[in-house]
Amino acid sequence: QKEVEQNSGPLSVPEGAIASLNCTYSDRGSQSFFWYRQYSGKSPELIMSIYSNGDKEDGRFTAQLNKASQYVSLLIRDSQPSDSATYLCAVSLSGGYQKVTFGTGTKLQVIP
Amino acid sequence: KAGVTQTPRYLIKTRGQQVTLSCSPISGHRSVSWYQQTPGQGLQFLFEYFSETQRNKGNFPGRFSGRQFSNSRSEMNVSTLELGDSALYLCASSDTGVVDGYTFGSGTRLTVV
Repeated sequence: QKEVEQNSGPLSVPEGAIASLNCTYSDRGSQSFFWYRQYSGKSPELIMSIYSNGDKEDGRFTAQLNKASQYVSLLIRDSQPSDSATYLCAVSLSGGYQKVTFGTGTKLQVIP
Repeated sequence: KAGVTQTPRYLIKTRGQQVTLSCSPISGHRSVSWYQQTPGQGLQFLFEYFSETQRNKGNFPGRFSGRQFSNSRSEMNVSTLELGDSALYLCASSDTGVVDGYTFGSGTRLTVV
């Protein structure tokens, strides 16, 4: 079982729709959760971080965390063609484990 | 504020050679992590340094090593290069470690021929 799993996609959504990206993780000790966006040929950039169960909103982005189900998701409202990229879910343990494990990413295509 | 600087951007090396990659983190950041990115495996953790100490290491062979200097700049070395080492090597900078989230450099694209 992979430590962090994501559907590779591509996930295609029409412009203006809500894109829903999902991620599951295997280690129940995981404490910090991140979403990164990576455009083709570029390096990843941090979009959101979430540490507690529930929702966290930042503009058009909402991260959702459910530790009991070991599940984290990212919702993108009013999707734009510029959101087309690969979205990476990342998870880290606490307690001095300075290591972040990344999923292989979900490719999102927003169709104009 | 200057970003994370990685040099060189591109490298072509021959099997058996060694290579050194450099990373200068954001000013004030003390943690530097290194990742290898390949199309098949995604981002794989190599190691993390904080204040010149390696705090964690991934599952890579001993040919991969690193260090961090007192000014937080970090270097990564790969000895006896293999074709499979061809990848994008990314350096990630953060203030105290993983909780802050990372800022990545542009990466070094290594091709081993």
